[in-house]
Amino acid sequence: QPQLQESGPGLVKPSETLSLTCTVSGGSIRSISHYWGWIRQPPGKGLEWIGSIFYSGNTNYNPSLKSRVTIFVETSKNQFSLKLSSVTAADTAVYYCARLSLIAVPGGGWIDSWGQGTLVAVSS
Amino acid sequence: DIVMTQSPDFLAVSLGERATINCRSSQSVFYSSNNKNSLAWYQQKPGQPPKLLIYWASIREFGVPDRFSGSGSGTDFTLTISSLQAEDVAVYYCQQYYDTPRTFGQGTKVEIK
Repeated sequence: QPQLQESGPGLVKPSETLSLTCTVSGGSIRSISHYWGWIRQPPGKGLEWIGSIFYSGNTNYNPSLKSRVTIFVETSKNQFSLKLSSVTAADTAVYYCARLSLIAVPGGGWIDSWGQGTLVAVSS
Repeated sequence: DIVMTQSPDFLAVSLGERATINCRSSQSVFYSSNNKNSLAWYQQKPGQPPKLLIYWASIREFGVPDRFSGSGSGTDFTLTISSLQAEDVAVYYCQQYYDTPRTFGQGTKVEIK
């Protein structure tokens, strides 16, 4: 299993853009067998799928966040990143990057590897 | 969105006893092209990311103890822990990957009675 590690600011001001990067080690992000994605979990609450990307750049986003989300891959760095614009307190959560299995349905299947997660708080 | 509803929200089971968690989807997640159900189960312990237990509704991930099993089809699924161990105390989530957005159940917290 690869290792995934999130990095980025732990505090973002309201209306600004949240930016996180996931570094993949022990495996290639160019895998033809996997998608890469972001999932978040507000403190004490359940899991929300944000979106996923194939190394070629094909993306799938949660419609509830689609207008604010961008996920992109930097294959040369073996990284993929998340940008979430116009954040509010409701975006405060632990953000996980993850590896998803490749299935026939675009967007990826089950999640077989997770980063440890990073808490991002939205506050002025 | 496909809504995933788990029951119960909380479950207390004696050590060595069976624990059963149910998950219902608001529409079928049966994928006819491969005759499989697009349903996964995860275990999350405090302060840790979720861990994959089961995919395609009943296939155990490599390394997962065989006391964990998944069953069901269409819209109704079950995760069974045949003999609860102390290390199984956690929150368990089901997830569908049939449609976008992928969605999770609200979680079931399992504790020792």
